[in-house]
Amino acid sequence: EDQVTQSPEALRLQEGESSSLNCSYTVSGLRGLFWYRQDPGKGPEFLFTLYSAGEEKEKERLKATLTKKESFLHITAPKPEDSATYLCAVRGIQGAQKLVFGQGTRLTINP
Amino acid sequence: GAVVSQHPSRVICKSGTSVKIECRSLDFQATTMFWYRQFPKQSLMLMATSNEGSKATYEQGVEKDKFLINHASLTLSTLTVTSAHPEDSSFYICSAPTGGFGEKLFFGSGTQLSVL
Repeated sequence: EDQVTQSPEALRLQEGESSSLNCSYTVSGLRGLFWYRQDPGKGPEFLFTLYSAGEEKEKERLKATLTKKESFLHITAPKPEDSATYLCAVRGIQGAQKLVFGQGTRLTINP
Repeated sequence: GAVVSQHPSRVICKSGTSVKIECRSLDFQATTMFWYRQFPKQSLMLMATSNEGSKATYEQGVEKDKFLINHASLTLSTLTVTSAHPEDSSFYICSAPTGGFGEKLFFGSGTQLSVL
């Protein structure tokens, strides 16, 4: 069974204080690891898809990296508007197009 | 980017009533759509996969007679919560895949259901 574990559960940073969020996964044949941002009361917003170990993708202050066991979402010099819950999900070969989500990391950036 | 529209955004109803939630793909066709449920401060749990022109596939533990899914066209899927009870109160979110191999999954804005 595909599983995703995210850590930490919650993270508070000061504006400008860089950090990383972790996503550990087990999957039978990775067909994609996904990062989403979710604001309260809203649906998740797509950020990145990573497909193979060593792959990296960047978008503004965010950079996602992937190994065979985990993914990191690095946030550089965050701003208060980066506050949100960040969700990690995987798609395996047995799950067709289904995604299995982690519990998320609630990120708060204090001004 | 692709847009998935979900309505209504919020529903408050009495126990025993049925509630219908619509999910539309606005600028692409979706033969498959997914329905998720999310409790406060928890992650998304897949409820069912909606298939255009055929029966939905439900995840283990999800009552198909309780959560009726209809995917009548390539741009519309509906979820009906029948005889809703307070324990059905939750945030329901639909999603649709797009891209060459459906590699991007776009989500609707969600529906907050509160059953009194």
